[in-house]
Amino acid sequence: EAQVTQNPRYLITVTGKKLTVTCSQNMNHEYMSWYRQDPGLGLRQIYYSMNVEVTDKGDVPEGYKVSRKEKRNFPLILESPSPNQTSLYFCASSLSGVNQPQHFGDGTRLSIL
Amino acid sequence: AQKVTQAQTEISVVEKEDVTLDCVYETRDTTYYLFWYKQPPSGELVFLIRRNSFDEQNEISGRYSWNFQKSTSSFNFTITASQVVDSAVYFCALLSRGESGAGSYQLTFGKGTKLSVIP
Repeated sequence: EAQVTQNPRYLITVTGKKLTVTCSQNMNHEYMSWYRQDPGLGLRQIYYSMNVEVTDKGDVPEGYKVSRKEKRNFPLILESPSPNQTSLYFCASSLSGVNQPQHFGDGTRLSIL
Repeated sequence: AQKVTQAQTEISVVEKEDVTLDCVYETRDTTYYLFWYKQPPSGELVFLIRRNSFDEQNEISGRYSWNFQKSTSSFNFTITASQVVDSAVYFCALLSRGESGAGSYQLTFGKGTKLSVIP
């Protein structure tokens, strides 16, 4: 089954404790992206990747890191999480670019205390 | 800068009524793409439609239809004979290269319209 898998689905942690949210897709998609969703703000893009070893900043990259060492994986790293990063996070992928329909993961709800 | 406005924050309709969700966008790019996504209460995001700026034909898919009008920079979404299963948050999104028409594409989402269909 074609899918984008995020882990964990839920996480409560404390300020400053490094965390990684994994994202994996099994569709051989080139383009992958991370978004955060906050009430009243819709979805905002954090980082995206056009292909392996190619990443770029989205609208709200501060406080986040990403890497794309393999085509299927695109982890989101919070080196020193803060409460303002409490949010619902979505990973997405598309075949060859952001102009293609994106397939979204089920979301990761992060709470930073 | 590019922008997507979904002026309707929340809409409630009674089942079987028709409902239109508005989407107005801003971009100076001449080549751009518009999308609608659905987010049901379970939380996942589901792709509904993509339109490019050169294709102004309206689209109908079952009870769903989309009206793209470049003259008014709008890409409205109509659900005919709404059903309870249509209850969701609907997002409109714009993909373009921003003001200069150069550089990489950026995808901007509207803030979403929450649709509640009451039985």
